[in-house]
Amino acid sequence: ILNVEQSPQSLHVQEGDSTNFTCSFPSSNFYALHWYRWETAKSPEALFVMTLNGDEKKKGRISATLNTKEGYSYLYIKGSQPEDSATYLCAFGYNKLIFGAGTRLAVHP
Amino acid sequence: GAGVSQSPSNKVTEKGKDVELRCDPISGHTALYWYRQSLGQGLEFLIYFQGNSAPDKSGLPSDRFSAERTGGSVSTLTIQRTQQEDSAVYLCASSLGLGFAEQYFGPGTRLTVT
Repeated sequence: ILNVEQSPQSLHVQEGDSTNFTCSFPSSNFYALHWYRWETAKSPEALFVMTLNGDEKKKGRISATLNTKEGYSYLYIKGSQPEDSATYLCAFGYNKLIFGAGTRLAVHP
Repeated sequence: GAGVSQSPSNKVTEKGKDVELRCDPISGHTALYWYRQSLGQGLEFLIYFQGNSAPDKSGLPSDRFSAERTGGSVSTLTIQRTQQEDSAVYLCASSLGLGFAEQYFGPGTRLTVT
């Protein structure tokens, strides 16, 4: 059974802090790693789709790295803002995605 | 452009009743997926459709669950004889083809079985 683990489960930071989360996934038969942001009462929003070992992707203050050989990805948020408060999900797979349980981020003003 | 839409947004039903959940994908997206999130759990894959190919039903939890996609567009997820453990948020997503394509999610249907 394929398992995707995310840590920490939740995180509280102050506005302006930088933070990062981890996603661990099976290192064998890698396909793709997706990151999503899910704000309360909204649809999950795709952040990145990563397919190559060593991939680094960036969107504004958010960036992600990928290590397929050891089976992990990091998501970084630089200078957190209250609007970054959301659950961040990673998902592994090809076609049907296997999701982690998410990291719930709360950014306090 | 219009995103993925789902209806109803909330559904409360009595145990034993049948329910239908609807998904309208983004126009032109050939792949459509259903997931659900039960309380305290992560998103769980249920089924996906790609064009006219047979759907991948490997995630459906029991034979009470079925889904169809008419005309390669709108999809309906049907749950027969609902049970309390079926209570969850049901999410639909669509993408331009399969594989590594980014999946665009709808807002979900919150199903409560009493």
